[in-house]
Amino acid sequence: TQLLEQSPQFLSIQEGENLTVYCNSSSVFSSLQWYRQEPGEGPVLLVTVVTGGEVKKLKRLTFQFGDARKDSSLHITAAQPGDTGLYLCAGAQGAQKLVFGQGTRLTINP
Amino acid sequence: NAGVMQNPRHLVRRRGQEARLRCSPMKGHSHVYWYRQLPEEGLKFMVYLQKENIIDESGMPKERFSAEFPKEGPSILRIQQVVRGDSAAYFCASSPGGDLNTEAFFGQGTRLTVV
Repeated sequence: TQLLEQSPQFLSIQEGENLTVYCNSSSVFSSLQWYRQEPGEGPVLLVTVVTGGEVKKLKRLTFQFGDARKDSSLHITAAQPGDTGLYLCAGAQGAQKLVFGQGTRLTINP
Repeated sequence: NAGVMQNPRHLVRRRGQEARLRCSPMKGHSHVYWYRQLPEEGLKFMVYLQKENIIDESGMPKERFSAEFPKEGPSILRIQQVVRGDSAAYFCASSPGGDLNTEAFFGQGTRLTVV
């Protein structure tokens, strides 16, 4: 079974600071997805990265897929309280199954 | 275009009862996936179904759990004789084709509490 390790598990920072969340595995994934989950809701897809070395930007969020397609990072610039939430990475195990990390619970303090 | 609809949102069952969780995929989606999330953990794959077929049930517990996706109607995840350890959030996702490398949409989940 392929495993995804996310770090840190918990992160609390001040508004305006930058942060990076990491998602690591010893296995190769065909793609990697990042989700954000609010309390009491389902995960909402933020981005899918497919090509090794790929970088995608979504406003203040930058997602990178490692060259070997084993790891990924999410960088948030100038964090805002609205960024607070649970961030999940998920690797596609073939075409039909997602393996999720345990999540990073991010709190942005005003 | 409505998203993935799950009901009920919250379900309370006593130990030994049956729980039925329903999932209606997005319009035009014929592939359904069920995941379970324990508190403070990520989602764990349970089962992947297409209409009238179970494709991959490698994440389903061997006993008490079953899933179906009939030709008509929603997909059903059924848990018989529930125990406290079954308490979790159960999420359904759907996709237009059986390729999660593109996009899957998740429902809001059913939170099952076994008392």
